[in-house]
Amino acid sequence: SQQGEEDPQALSIQEGENATMNCSYKTSINNLQWYRQNSGRGLVHLILIRSNEREKHSGRLRVTLDTSKKSSSLLITASRAADTASYFCATPRGAGGTSYGKLTFGQGTILTVHP
Amino acid sequence: SAVISQKPSRDICQRGTSLTIQCQVDSQVTMMFWYRQQPGQSLTLIATANQGSEATYESGFVIDKFPISRPNLTFSTLTVSNMSPEDSSIYLCSVKQGELNSPLHFGNGTRLTVT
Repeated sequence: SQQGEEDPQALSIQEGENATMNCSYKTSINNLQWYRQNSGRGLVHLILIRSNEREKHSGRLRVTLDTSKKSSSLLITASRAADTASYFCATPRGAGGTSYGKLTFGQGTILTVHP
Repeated sequence: SAVISQKPSRDICQRGTSLTIQCQVDSQVTMMFWYRQQPGQSLTLIATANQGSEATYESGFVIDKFPISRPNLTFSTLTVSNMSPEDSSIYLCSVKQGELNSPLHFGNGTRLTVT
């Protein structure tokens, strides 16, 4: 799992199927963020879940956070070919000031959605 | 959210030379960061670009190799000096706006190949 392993490292599915990616972290966090990266381009923020939240939805995305297990999952429902990308979770280094912008990224999951 | 323009988008450089990457934001931001993504890897924070003062570098990164400027709240440059093939990476500018529990926004990155 991320921070640093990702589970799985690569995922290949058919359009319409659901994709689940997992992330684990090692330290206490204020929030956990998921990003998408298409073909080595810049990262796009998908969703941020705060440490006092257990689940969050955004469109076809569902993120869960289990602080007792220090883990998070990203579920993409009804996947599309356009969802093909690398997905990263990230956590702030610490609390206060610039620490919130200093993110530790996991190794990422490469998702391939076949049409 | 902020619109970040990063240039060049890619470059191929000879070893021993230097490349300066520019990051322009369409609004004032308090926090700007530079990340590196080596081939097939996740993102690693290089430094925090501080407006009007020296950048704050992460462990493993030094000013002589990666000098950073930030003359105002909307612009920063990262120079990769005396390049070697090991510097081949994607370099990403990112900014943070708003409250502390808010995500980073990334530029599209600069894909650097050193031959």
